Amino acid sequence: TQLLEQSPQFLSIQEGENLTVYCNSSSVFSSLQWYRQEPGEGPVLLVTVVTGGEVKKLKRLTFQFGDARKDSSLHITAAQTGDTGLYLCAGEKTSGSRLTFGEGTQLTVNP
Amino acid sequence: EAGVAQSPRYKIIEKRQSVAFWCNPISGHATLYWYQQILGQGPKLLIQFQNNGVVDDSQLPKDRFSAERLKGVDSTLKIQPAKLEDSAVYLCASIGGVNANTGELFFGEGSRLTVL
Repeated sequence: TQLLEQSPQFLSIQEGENLTVYCNSSSVFSSLQWYRQEPGEGPVLLVTVVTGGEVKKLKRLTFQFGDARKDSSLHITAAQTGDTGLYLCAGEKTSGSRLTFGEGTQLTVNP
Repeated sequence: EAGVAQSPRYKIIEKRQSVAFWCNPISGHATLYWYQQILGQGPKLLIQFQNNGVVDDSQLPKDRFSAERLKGVDSTLKIQPAKLEDSAVYLCASIGGVNANTGELFFGEGSRLTVL
């Protein structure tokens, strides 16, 4: 059983479209992180959310942490080809505990 | 500052052979992790070091995998003997310094292992 379920698993869209990817769990997390991984590279941190209901914006990316701290979403506005990559959510059940990754959403943005 | 360095980038071996991967974390980072990432999946933690001590190796297949960080700086992950299902990217990550409280992991580029 996967602790963090990400959906969709694959997403292929045209440049300029909007999209949302989800990270869901039945467990409560003290914090949740989103990473982006490009082919042949390691994951790179995009954002960390720690407060239930928190919304963080990073240019065209909007991250939300659920009120109950069990789920999170990533919304991308006007996607660009440079947004292509594997988006991973990772949660920490308690501060300093093991970081558990979801399976990722593979996003392809076509020109 | 220099990032996390890993080598080799690619390795192809036959099953039952052995292989070793090396990682040099960001200078000053006390915590080092080895993750296994199978194609199409998220990274899975194998082992976590704090300086030269093991913090968590509960998911390390100890019958064939071993890791050490003798001087609390660089680390080696070994697989012996390798199985087909060990084909994956082995990612090293570190955390520490000014980022210690943010929880941000800094990853290397990974070592891609193919077992034939």
